[in-house]
Amino acid sequence: AQSVSQHNHHVILSEAASLELGCNYSYGGTVNLFWYVQYPGQHLQLLLKYFSGDPLVKGIKGFEAEFIKSKFSFNLRKPSVQWSDTAEYFCAVIPFSGGYNKLIFGAGTRLAVHP
Amino acid sequence: DGGITQSPKYLFRKEGQNVTLSCEQNLNHDAMYWYRQDPGQGLRLIYYSQIVNDFQKGDIAEGYSVSREKKESFPLTVTSAQKNPTAFYLCASSIQESTEAFFGQGTRLTVV
Repeated sequence: AQSVSQHNHHVILSEAASLELGCNYSYGGTVNLFWYVQYPGQHLQLLLKYFSGDPLVKGIKGFEAEFIKSKFSFNLRKPSVQWSDTAEYFCAVIPFSGGYNKLIFGAGTRLAVHP
Repeated sequence: DGGITQSPKYLFRKEGQNVTLSCEQNLNHDAMYWYRQDPGQGLRLIYYSQIVNDFQKGDIAEGYSVSREKKESFPLTVTSAQKNPTAFYLCASSIQESTEAFFGQGTRLTVV
């Protein structure tokens, strides 16, 4: 079955530290890729997406992600985190399998940034 | 304002009762989704619908049912057959099945 793996369930960083959250998916065909964020008490919001083209995509709030097809990965990065980045981050994939296309999420990574 | 509205925000249900969660969107989106969010498990897909009058089971459809009689509405019924219904339920929609989804605020269901 198609699945999405996020390697870290909890990450704790100090402000100004660099962030990299891992995401791998298990599907060999064409995919659309997403990172969503859920701030405390708020609804899920799209951070960035990749459909095609440049594998390095930039999103909102200084986040970026790189699609590496050979590694089935779509890792999220930010050079310098802020306290306001404290949230839960979800990687998601739409695998194009020739039938109905569904949006599949990983288990999420909870990020805590300390001042 | 355009968006996705889920109601109610909090819902309590007695064991053995069916309950329906509402999801309405005015974004003119074709695709709609229902997810269940549990701590440490991310979002798991319950049902999804690409067009009106059509829907597909997701990964955890047992104990749930849906309908898609109108483009803007995709209600979810949690039946008494669902063994562990207490959870946070999220509805989403997208322009079409391959694009990014927009989420509602969620409904927290508690079975008492």
